[in-house]
Amino acid sequence: QVQLVESGGGVVQPGGSLRLSCAASGFTFSSYGMHWVRQAPGKGLEWVAFIRYDGSNKYYADSVKGRFTISRDNSKNTLYLQMNSLRAEDTAVYYCAKDKKGDGSCDYWGQGTLVTVSS
Amino acid sequence: QSALTQPASVSGSPGQSITISCTGTSSDVGGYNYVSWYQQHPGKAPKLMIYDVSNRPSGVSNRFSGSKSGNTASLTISGLQAEDEADYYCSSYTSSSSWVFGGGTKLTVL
Repeated sequence: QVQLVESGGGVVQPGGSLRLSCAASGFTFSSYGMHWVRQAPGKGLEWVAFIRYDGSNKYYADSVKGRFTISRDNSKNTLYLQMNSLRAEDTAVYYCAKDKKGDGSCDYWGQGTLVTVSS
Repeated sequence: QSALTQPASVSGSPGQSITISCTGTSSDVGGYNYVSWYQQHPGKAPKLMIYDVSNRPSGVSNRFSGSKSGNTASLTISGLQAEDEADYYCSSYTSSSSWVFGGGTKLTVL
């Protein structure tokens, strides 16, 4: 069965960096685009970034552009999110999600990892 | 990348039907048939309920249906059940090669 397991969350000071990982199993990881989506405490979902199946194209929300980098290692079935220059407003649960068709329909989600940006 | 507009809350009694709207612009909802709907129970990850405006993934009840007219997409839940009580989010692809979510709608089953 499809499994997505995020890791790497934690507490970081403003201006700091963190790298999230998402280990995928149960499907051919190298055939699917992947998203990062976040949810601030008590708030709604916010799309963060998308990477195509082969890593050839990457797209970002304006709120993270220039600070976050999405990447993937298809040999390790792992998705990454490098987060730099973190701000208090980046505090959220970060989910990785598998894109069903490359059009934004996310059919499988991880359980999420909490990132807290605080001094 | 402004969020799509959804009602903050809707409610209905068991057995009734409800509709949640999701309003965007011609640059997102109105411009593409790439609207998805997600259900999220408290403390859980979102679940895909509808994709490409009106398609249901395997395993999703046929009580859930989606449609679109102009810049507004809609999710209809018929035969409301207690387990349908959750937050619902729409999302759409945009002309900026990005995706945007709605603010979310809390469904209460009375």
